[in-house]
Amino acid sequence: LAKTTQPISMDSYEGQEVNITCSHNNIATNDYITWYQQFPSQGPRFIIQGYKTKVTNEVASLFIPADRKSSTLSLPRVSLSDTAVYYCLVAVSNQGGKLIFGQGTELSVKP
Amino acid sequence: DAMVIQNPRYQVTQFGKPVTLSCSQTLNHNVMYWYQQKSSQAPKLLFHYYDKDFNNEADTPDNFQSRRPNTSFCFLDIRSPGLGDAAMYLCATSKGGMDTEAFFGQGTRLTVV
Repeated sequence: LAKTTQPISMDSYEGQEVNITCSHNNIATNDYITWYQQFPSQGPRFIIQGYKTKVTNEVASLFIPADRKSSTLSLPRVSLSDTAVYYCLVAVSNQGGKLIFGQGTELSVKP
Repeated sequence: DAMVIQNPRYQVTQFGKPVTLSCSQTLNHNVMYWYQQKSSQAPKLLFHYYDKDFNNEADTPDNFQSRRPNTSFCFLDIRSPGLGDAAMYLCATSKGGMDTEAFFGQGTRLTVV
């Protein structure tokens, strides 16, 4: 089972781009990388999923190098409402898509 | 419309008194998960179902049981709640396989008195 490591906390200011990097050295061939966002007293919310290279959606981009041992979530022009905990997960695809959460990164966006 | 519904949102139970938390989904997803989340910690997977196949995490206490009578419903039974079981319990669903987008309910906050 691939373990993930990410910074415990990050600070940013409104309007800046935020990049959160996650390492997953033991990722398996069929595993996907997924990021979730969680606000206090709410369930996590899916942000983005990727396998390799770059994936972009309306809220974020995900960069995955060729060796797939790390990934970077990029949040463009953050606002105060992006203050949350961000989790990097490696989905265990051969176990029915089991999702194991790592420690998460607490992002604080300041005015 | 809510797609993963957890009831109740808040549950107070007495020490040692069995309690059941419920989860329902309208997404017809194959996988249903139960997570425990304590304050300032990440969600911890207790178990999950892939269809009818039950998968228990190795470190999930025997005090926690689960039932999935059909695709739409899943229950978490805590047979003898202790003070340490006070937490937010999160239910989630996903299609499974390569699709890692999971949908979470609002959670049930359990208080043990």
